Amino acid sequence: GESVGLHLPTLSVQEGDNSIINCAYSNSASDYFIWYKQESGKGPQFIIDIRSNMDKRQGQRVTVLLNKTVKHLSLQIAATQPGDSAVYFCAEIFGNEKLTFGTGTRLTIIP
Amino acid sequence: GAVVSQHPSRVICKSGTSVKIECRSLDFQATTMFWYRQFPKQSLMLMATSNEGSKATYEQGVEKDKFLINHASLTLSTLTVTSAHPEDSSFYICSARKTVGEKLFFGSGTQLSVL
Repeated sequence: GESVGLHLPTLSVQEGDNSIINCAYSNSASDYFIWYKQESGKGPQFIIDIRSNMDKRQGQRVTVLLNKTVKHLSLQIAATQPGDSAVYFCAEIFGNEKLTFGTGTRLTIIP
Repeated sequence: GAVVSQHPSRVICKSGTSVKIECRSLDFQATTMFWYRQFPKQSLMLMATSNEGSKATYEQGVEKDKFLINHASLTLSTLTVTSAHPEDSSFYICSARKTVGEKLFFGSGTQLSVL
């Protein structure tokens, strides 16, 4: 069936550097995408979202890029901090408004 | 942002017993709540969609008689794992939204361990 997946299961980044987490989705009908951050033992925390009529959206230290041509989503985190260490999930919404989560990428910030 | 409270955060039970998990929207009325299950190092998998005042809609492969969902009010949904077995051990997470198209807010999760 349709799925949302990530290219890299783990990513280690030096503190202060920028990080990029990638996500591939297969359902061209998806019109809303969200990035979540999940720390150990906690529920997902909303980071940023983007609708399919946009290709870029910026937040505080985070930027999401959407490339509908290749069905690719990325999350850029600028000037990473130790608190950014977590698992990051992309998720898509289509049709009946159910979220479908990707497999997740564990981001580790190296001090 | 809106607050979704989930209780308990952790529960350990014996095999064969039932466990109830509560999900409350503290500062908004949630017409829809969702229940997810997450196994270690895996993604969140949707179990069911719960609309206030109506029966829950379960995802394929989720036993509705085992995972009882009640959404009796606009601020509370409960998930009861009946006759729990060790394979039901997992992290259960709820989410809630005001209406279709609005953002989802997640609870902090419940770690269920069945001995």
